[in-house]
Amino acid sequence: QVQLQESGPGLVKPSETLSLTCTVSGGSTSSGDYYWVWMRKPPGKGLEWIGYIYHSGSTYYNPSLKSRSFISVDTSKNLFSLELNSVTAADTAVYYCARSIAVAPERFDSWGQGTLVTVSS
Amino acid sequence: ERVMTQSPATLSVSPGERVTVTCRASQSDSNNLAWYQQKPGQVPRLLIYGTSTRAEGIPARFSGSGSGPEFTLTISSLESEDFATYYCLQYNSWPPSLTLGPGTKVEFK
Repeated sequence: QVQLQESGPGLVKPSETLSLTCTVSGGSTSSGDYYWVWMRKPPGKGLEWIGYIYHSGSTYYNPSLKSRSFISVDTSKNLFSLELNSVTAADTAVYYCARSIAVAPERFDSWGQGTLVTVSS
Repeated sequence: ERVMTQSPATLSVSPGERVTVTCRASQSDSNNLAWYQQKPGQVPRLLIYGTSTRAEGIPARFSGSGSGPEFTLTISSLESEDFATYYCLQYNSWPPSLTLGPGTKVEFK
């Protein structure tokens, strides 16, 4: 059973860079069967897709966040990461990492528990 | 930019009632459409993928139908544990992207 676990600072200052890591256990980020995804849910708002990455390093981003987002994968450490720069209070959210099935990318079959990141000085 | 319209935004219902939620894509005929359920403080749960395939362990009262651009989630007889927010999510292959609906909150009447 694959497990995903987000980690990173819970508090980030405005204009700085938010950095999160998702560690994968029970599965491999080098598998071609999956995409590795970042999502978020701001308080009181809906879910939002940030972007996803394939084991090859190919990345796909939400157009609204593309200019500030960077997702990478480290298959040797079996983890993938998110960087979101120039953050504002609007980036305060619970951030989730997830795994989606490559042949049915809308199918997220595993999620991390989520981590709250607050942007505040 | 693709946009997913989801309706209604809120549904006030009683247990036992039938619930229907609709998503309409602005410019896509992809049938890679999934439905997720999220309760406060919990991780989203996959209900349906590929428009109509129930995910493992999902009760038969949940069903999905439709084809691009309009899709429907139906709960045949609402149970107390079904009060939650429901999201549709579509994958499009070119350019590769995901589009999320804004969510439908199903609340107790």
